[in-house]
Amino acid sequence: QSVLTQPPSVSAAPGQKVTISCSGSSSNIGNNYVAWYQQLPGTAPKLLIYENNKRPSGIPDRFSGSKSGSSATLGITGLQTGDEADYYCETWDNSLSALFGGGTRLTVL
Amino acid sequence: QVQLVESGGGVVQPGRSLRLSCAASGLTFSGYAMYWVRQSPGKGLEWVTVISYDDSSKYYADSVKGRFTISRDNSKNTLYLQMNSLRADDTAVYYCATAGGPYYYYYMDVWGKGTTVTVSS
Repeated sequence: QSVLTQPPSVSAAPGQKVTISCSGSSSNIGNNYVAWYQQLPGTAPKLLIYENNKRPSGIPDRFSGSKSGSSATLGITGLQTGDEADYYCETWDNSLSALFGGGTRLTVL
Repeated sequence: QVQLVESGGGVVQPGRSLRLSCAASGLTFSGYAMYWVRQSPGKGLEWVTVISYDDSSKYYADSVKGRFTISRDNSKNTLYLQMNSLRADDTAVYYCATAGGPYYYYYMDVWGKGTTVTVSS
């Protein structure tokens, strides 16, 4: 059971928008930056969003991140079949542990 | 470009030891904290440990504390994970990753492809 709570799965049609939530507490998300990672099937994770809402170079602006209080959200617009993957939120906890959410599988119908 | 290559995985019996390595290139290795993250078969990502750029800070997940040791050799651009007293639930793909900065609290920036550790008798 992860300390950070994500929905196990989300789905949407190509071209549509989807959001993935990540819920924590004041000891983790509430006081630390959040990052998001994408893991395509059979590959290593890849950084998608860092420091709540910043995109590394090469990540399209279809991907966005936000944080409010003890929750964070990943948004993906203009869905493509190539976006089908597992998505993980991550942050640090005041107990000096890095935390991952349980992961959300995105299906593009 | 930054490249991380893990090695040292394999099949090992419960209670035995294994040392993983992560060779880094394309970055000033000594300027970045480094992570180990693992993923058990069919499961999500689990943070294992992190080491600061200068070896001054190290933190471990409770599940590996006292059994695993992270270290680095900045002269060789290499990160290590010494794993002792291995258990079946340590079976996973182990990834190394650079942090986005020199300290432990930075995000995981660039990831290696991983090395597989299987603990089985």
